Amino acid sequence: QVHLVQSGAEVKKPGASVRISCKASGYTFSNYYMNWVRQAPGQGLEWVGLINPRDGRTLYAQKYEGRVTMTTDTSTTTVYMELGSLTSEDTGVFYCAKEGTRGFFYFDHWGQGTPVTVSS
Amino acid sequence: DIVMTQSPDSLAVSLGERATINCKSSQNVFFQSNNKTYLSWYQQKPGQPPKLLIYWASTRDSGVPDRFSGSGSGTDFTLTISGLQPEDVAVYYCQQYYISPPTFGQGTKLEI
Repeated sequence: QVHLVQSGAEVKKPGASVRISCKASGYTFSNYYMNWVRQAPGQGLEWVGLINPRDGRTLYAQKYEGRVTMTTDTSTTTVYMELGSLTSEDTGVFYCAKEGTRGFFYFDHWGQGTPVTVSS
Repeated sequence: DIVMTQSPDSLAVSLGERATINCKSSQNVFFQSNNKTYLSWYQQKPGQPPKLLIYWASTRDSGVPDRFSGSGSGTDFTLTISGLQPEDVAVYYCQQYYISPPTFGQGTKLEI
């Protein structure tokens, strides 16, 4: 079965960068886009962007353009999200989420989430 | 961006009764060319990631109990939970994937 396993919690200072990993298993990794979704404390869900593991092409939400970089390592079936210039407003839980059908942005499997705390 | 608005923000329903959650999109999410509605529903329990319940507005994901059903078209959608069970206590989100960026409703908290 599909598993998405994310790296552990992070605590960062304002202005720093954070890199989160998401290791996928149980399906053909290159066939499905991987997305990242953020959830601020006690708040709703916000799409951050996606990466096509097949060719590394990305699409980012406008809010995160210029600060976020998503990469993929097909040899380890792992995707990474790096977010820079962190502020306290970035505090929250980041989830990787696999698309349900190729090319359609609904998400049928989610990682367990990586809490990121930005605090001085 | 398409704005998704859910109602109510919270509701309390008795065990065994029906819960109805509404979702309205700021624009049509039906694509005529493939006759599909680009709307999904998720359930999120405390401390857990969201879980896909419904996609294409009314298709239940694998393993989702048939007491969960999705309906609606155009801009107005409904998630219905029939015969509420204790394990259904959660926050429910609708999401459109018709246009990038995919956007979610603010969530509806369901309590017993």
